[in-house]
Amino acid sequence: SAVISQKPSRDICQRGTSLTIQCQVDSQVTMMFWYRQQPGQSLTLIATANQGSEATYESGFVIDKFPISRPNLTFSTLTVSNMSPEDSSIYLCSVEGAEGPPLEQYFGPGTRLTVT
Amino acid sequence: AQKVTQAQTEISVVEKEDVTLDCVYETRDTTYYLFWYKQPPSGELVFLIRRNSFDEQNEISGRYSWNFQKSTSSFNFTITASQVVDSAVYFCALSEAGSSASKIIFGSGTRLSIRP
Repeated sequence: SAVISQKPSRDICQRGTSLTIQCQVDSQVTMMFWYRQQPGQSLTLIATANQGSEATYESGFVIDKFPISRPNLTFSTLTVSNMSPEDSSIYLCSVEGAEGPPLEQYFGPGTRLTVT
Repeated sequence: AQKVTQAQTEISVVEKEDVTLDCVYETRDTTYYLFWYKQPPSGELVFLIRRNSFDEQNEISGRYSWNFQKSTSSFNFTITASQVVDSAVYFCALSEAGSSASKIIFGSGTRLSIRP
């Protein structure tokens, strides 16, 4: 299994600012995923990030709001831009495991974001 | 379109009781994969099981068991002799092989509370 860490683990931010969340994996992985979990809700996929190419965004999510970087095979960042209280959520990074198909997805501990 | 329904929003039982969490899914694919994840109060997502559509054998792992029935499009999860540590939100999820095999659609989750 992959060990995933995220920074920060939580943050309280002001409306209109931006926050960059980091995701670090202990092994090289092809695909990394970013999910959002709004309070009391299920998980929704924001985008898929492959190294060396632009991220693929799901319906309802746009690059201007959630820019993603994937500089190498063990690291990715998600930025939540121009935040509003509606962006208050847990943001989770996940990666594929080595066993499949389908490849298992392992999740990071999440970043709990509160926007005031 | 794929969809996962967890009709039970919250369940509360007394410790040592058996409890079943229901999951009904919709998909047009003949090849697909089903998952259960556990999310304890700490927030991380813990992978419990993955099952492909061609394997309808029920699975048992300790106190956990899963009943996959393609005829009713259900993938139910039973905890036997529940314990307080089983208290968590449980998510059922679906991945279609036809799309990105790693795109997982989550149900809305069932919050399970085990009372001592």
